[in-house]
Amino acid sequence: QVQLQESGPGLVKPSETLSLTCSVSGGSVNSGIYYWTWIRQPPGKGLEWIGDISDSGNTNHNPSLKSRVTISIDTSKSQFSLKLRSVTAADTAMYFCASRDFGEFNFDNWGQGTLVTVSS
Amino acid sequence: QSALTQPASVSGSPGQSITISCTGTSSDVGGYHSVSWYQQHPGKAPKLMIFDVSNRPSGVSNRFSGSKSGNTASLTISGLQAEDEADYSCSSYTSSNTYVFGSGTKVTVL
Repeated sequence: QVQLQESGPGLVKPSETLSLTCSVSGGSVNSGIYYWTWIRQPPGKGLEWIGDISDSGNTNHNPSLKSRVTISIDTSKSQFSLKLRSVTAADTAMYFCASRDFGEFNFDNWGQGTLVTVSS
Repeated sequence: QSALTQPASVSGSPGQSITISCTGTSSDVGGYHSVSWYQQHPGKAPKLMIFDVSNRPSGVSNRFSGSKSGNTASLTISGLQAEDEADYSCSSYTSSNTYVFGSGTKVTVL
């Protein structure tokens, strides 16, 4: 099973862009057998699916975030990334990267998560 | 898309069975055999416990079982143990080719 590790700034100012990277090890990010996913969890609240990307670059996004979200993949670095624009305090959350096997509908592999706080 | 509805908390004594419900619509839970359940201990990442309504991944105790009726899925934990105390969330694929999670349920072992 691949291992996933999130990285990025823990503090972002309001109206700026949140940028996170998920590094994939123990497997290939362009193996064609995974969808690479971002999920977040505000403090004390439930999980929220942000979106995912295949190794060929096909993406799907949560409609509530779609206009602000970009998910991309860098196969040369074995990484995929999340950019969330125009952040507010409501975007403060633990951000997880995860994988979903192609053809499956569950998230069986997760990173440990990284807390991002939006504050001036 | 609205979060799936789960009870905020469920509790039980060691050895008892508890059931957590997860209610959606015909566009998500009711429309697909794609409900999964996750266990999350404080400060940890979620762990897949049930997939495709009622299947257990390798290594997950058979004390955990899942089912679905109409727009409501359920997770049952039998023989409740102290280590089962955690937050549990359901998830479903949707007709919009997206995923929606439940609001989460805190399980307390009395």
